[in-house]
Amino acid sequence: EVQLVQSGGGLVQPGWSLRLSCAPSGFIVSNSFINWVRQAPGKGLEWVSIIYSDGRTFHADSMQGRFTISRDNSKNIVYLQMSSLRPEDTAVYYCARARGGNAAHKTVSEYWGQGTLVTVSS
Amino acid sequence: AIQLTQSPSSLSASVGDRVTITCRASQGISNALAWFQQTPGKPPKLLVYDASTLESGVPSRFSGSGSGTDFTLTISSLQPEDFATYYCQHFNSYPHIFGQGTRLEIK
Repeated sequence: EVQLVQSGGGLVQPGWSLRLSCAPSGFIVSNSFINWVRQAPGKGLEWVSIIYSDGRTFHADSMQGRFTISRDNSKNIVYLQMSSLRPEDTAVYYCARARGGNAAHKTVSEYWGQGTLVTVSS
Repeated sequence: AIQLTQSPSSLSASVGDRVTITCRASQGISNALAWFQQTPGKPPKLLVYDASTLESGVPSRFSGSGSGTDFTLTISSLQPEDFATYYCQHFNSYPHIFGQGTRLEIK
């Protein structure tokens, strides 16, 4: 069974850094496409970043340079490193495994983690 | 970046009704569109990808259509568990933008 267990959220002050973790079971991250998506309280979904099975990464323009997606193949974990956090980064952050394969829909999120809340406030 | 505009933003309907939600892209995206359903406190659930392909396990009362810039998600006969918020997302290019969501409420 595919599951994604998330951790690392919490309350931080503006300007601080935080690293979120996404630990799957039932599949290997190095063979997968993994997305991060966030949702501010009471708001809609916002795509954050993706890491491909071949290691390529893409980030949303508004988070480019502050957020970095990576993975540790030996631990089978995907990370979202967030720096210079702002109050507007307050959100539930979801990791999600995409469909994979070779078709265009390989990047569509299919299995989602439970989400982790990040609160940026002084 | 390609933007997506959903309409309506909210919708009231009754069990058994047929409802249609629209998603319009700011430029052509072929069929690179997915639809998600989200209930409060839960992660989104994939319903449709490639504009019209139903994800495995999704009831057949859900259907997607469209290509280019105009897309629709139709629920043929609303069930109580369908009252939720629906989002479209394109995967034509980066960033993979979501629509702003359509909240489907019980009338």
